[in-house]
Amino acid sequence: EVQLVQSGAEVKKPGESLKISCKGSGYRFNTFWIGWVRQMPGKGLEWMGIIYPGDSDTRYSPSFQGLVTISTDKSISTAYLQWSSLKASDTAIYYCARRRGFGDGFDFWGQGTMVTVSS
Amino acid sequence: EIVLTQSPGTLSLSPGERATLSCRASQSVSSGYLAWYQQRPGQAPRLLIYGASSRATGIPDRFSGSGSGTDFTLTISRLEPEDFAVYYCQQYGGSPLYTFGQGTKLEIK
Repeated sequence: EVQLVQSGAEVKKPGESLKISCKGSGYRFNTFWIGWVRQMPGKGLEWMGIIYPGDSDTRYSPSFQGLVTISTDKSISTAYLQWSSLKASDTAIYYCARRRGFGDGFDFWGQGTMVTVSS
Repeated sequence: EIVLTQSPGTLSLSPGERATLSCRASQSVSSGYLAWYQQRPGQAPRLLIYGASSRATGIPDRFSGSGSGTDFTLTISRLEPEDFAVYYCQQYGGSPLYTFGQGTKLEIK
């Protein structure tokens, strides 16, 4: 059974750093792209970026380039999303999701990680 | 940048009725790389349709997708109570690489 299990909810202060994780199981992790999607409270879905664990090829949305870093550790089938300096506006649910195939959608999703940034 | 505009913003229907959701792109979507998702409250999105018209694994056949170029449609032939949710379209291959529409909320009338 394919699963993406994300790390738990986080409460942080502005200016702090954070790294959240997404662990894949039930499939060959190295051979499927993993994307990250933001959902701010009460809002829609925003694509942030995507990484190929096999070679760490990474693409970012221009809206998030330079604001976050996406990485992966294929030895433990885990992808990461990190911030070096959080802002209150980073408060959101963050989802990881597996891309089904070239040009296809995201067929399996993590349960989401709620990140709250507040002083 | 490819912008996806979904309409209507909210659709009020009754169980058993037919739902038609629209997704219009500001530029042609490459090779029909258009997907639809359903998101129920408190849940992660679920892939319904990919490649504009192919149903994802386990998706009931009352869900169908159509369209090409800049105009796409998700149709739910006969609404079940569990279908009332928010629906998003998503394109792949433009700039930025992926874009979501703003969503259509399907609510019970």
